[in-house]
Amino acid sequence: AQSVTQLGSHVSVSEGALVLLRCNYSSSVPPYLFWYVQYPNQGLQLLLKYTSAATLVKGINGFEAEFKKSETSFHLTKPSAHMSDAAEYFCAVRLGTGNQFYFGTGTSLTVIP
Amino acid sequence: ETGVTQSPTHLIKTRGQQVTLRCSSQSGHNTVSWYQQALGQGPQFIFQYYREEENGRGNFPPRFSGLQFPNYSSELNVNALELDDSALYLCASSPRSDGDRYGYTFGSGTRLTVV
Repeated sequence: AQSVTQLGSHVSVSEGALVLLRCNYSSSVPPYLFWYVQYPNQGLQLLLKYTSAATLVKGINGFEAEFKKSETSFHLTKPSAHMSDAAEYFCAVRLGTGNQFYFGTGTSLTVIP
Repeated sequence: ETGVTQSPTHLIKTRGQQVTLRCSSQSGHNTVSWYQQALGQGPQFIFQYYREEENGRGNFPPRFSGLQFPNYSSELNVNALELDDSALYLCASSPRSDGDRYGYTFGSGTRLTVV
């Protein structure tokens, strides 16, 4: 079986504080991992992806994520939250074979002024 | 470079009816996938088309069907609508058949409400 689990359906941070959104995956083969962001009434926008190159992946808007095989994690971080970061964030996984994309249930990020 | 365009943006249908949702892929993208996103949930994979052929399907019944056209635009058809089909339907395109290795470009979705 393959899946992703996002811990915390809602996360609130103060403007300027560290953002940490958690994602754990289950996969018996090396995964491809992604983070997407969804703003209200919009589709999904790719933030970053891990495809077995560097374990620390840098994405758009100052976000980055680190692939940790030993912890089966791919947590998303940003050093300093901006008001514009308020959105829904989805972690997704694709196995090394097949072409299905599995999304987590999402984490809603609120940024407090 | 154009993005992914979906139509209509909102739709209300009655249970038992049929619906067709449309997607215009990003220029140069020959692969399209469709996802269903229920309220408060992550998107769930319905199926994928590559060069007009279905090449992957999620856990959805046959009343969910699709088409991809030579210009790479596509349709999602749902027959015998049920209340649980109410969701945001997302179309995503990629320039390659294994686009899910590299990420898709998503449209803004069609919000379907079944009453």
